[in-house]
Amino acid sequence: QVRLVQSGAEVRKPGASVKISCKASGYTFINYYIHWVRQAPGQGLEWVALLNPSGGLTTYSQKFQGRVTMTRDTSTGTVDMEVSSLRSEDTAVYYCARDSSPWLVHSYVFDIWGQGTMVTVSS
Amino acid sequence: QPALTQPRSVSGSPGQSVTISCIGTSSDVGAYNYVSWYQQHPGKAPKVMIYDVTKRPSGVPDRFSGSKSGNTASLTISGLQPEDEAVYSCCSAAGMHSHVIFGAGTKLTVL
Repeated sequence: QVRLVQSGAEVRKPGASVKISCKASGYTFINYYIHWVRQAPGQGLEWVALLNPSGGLTTYSQKFQGRVTMTRDTSTGTVDMEVSSLRSEDTAVYYCARDSSPWLVHSYVFDIWGQGTMVTVSS
Repeated sequence: QPALTQPRSVSGSPGQSVTISCIGTSSDVGAYNYVSWYQQHPGKAPKVMIYDVTKRPSGVPDRFSGSKSGNTASLTISGLQPEDEAVYSCCSAAGMHSHVIFGAGTKLTVL
């Protein structure tokens, strides 16, 4: 069964950092791009970043450039995302999602999603 | 980059049809046939309903259809059913470097 399982909810103070993880199973990890998408309470989906799990190359939304870092561990099939200098506006559910194309060709279709990780930033 | 523009809400009665618009620019919706639509029920992860403007994944009812004209994409749901009540978000490739942009989401209410 193809799955993305994310780490649990986190609470941080403004200015701190948080690292959340996304563990893939049921498919060949290095063959599919992984994206992070977030959703603030009552708001729409917002694309954050993507990672090529084969080579580790990353692409970030301009909005998050410099504040977000994606990494992967091919031995465990896990993708991590760290967000630094947190502010209240970063309070959101963060989803990892798989691009549906198996050949590391961007399809821009997210066929498998993690269950979401709630990150709360509050003093 | 601002989100793609969607109506905040739409509604319809069971059996009726509704269409949700998604307005982008010549750098995203207008530039690529990589428009997809996601259905999201409260507290759940999104689910893809339409991809590549008009294609339906296996298991998605043919009541769901997509189209595009210029910088505007549309999702039409015919024969509305109570379980269609959800938030629908459009998504498009955006510019260079494999960026992605979403719409702000449209709440569909089945009356």
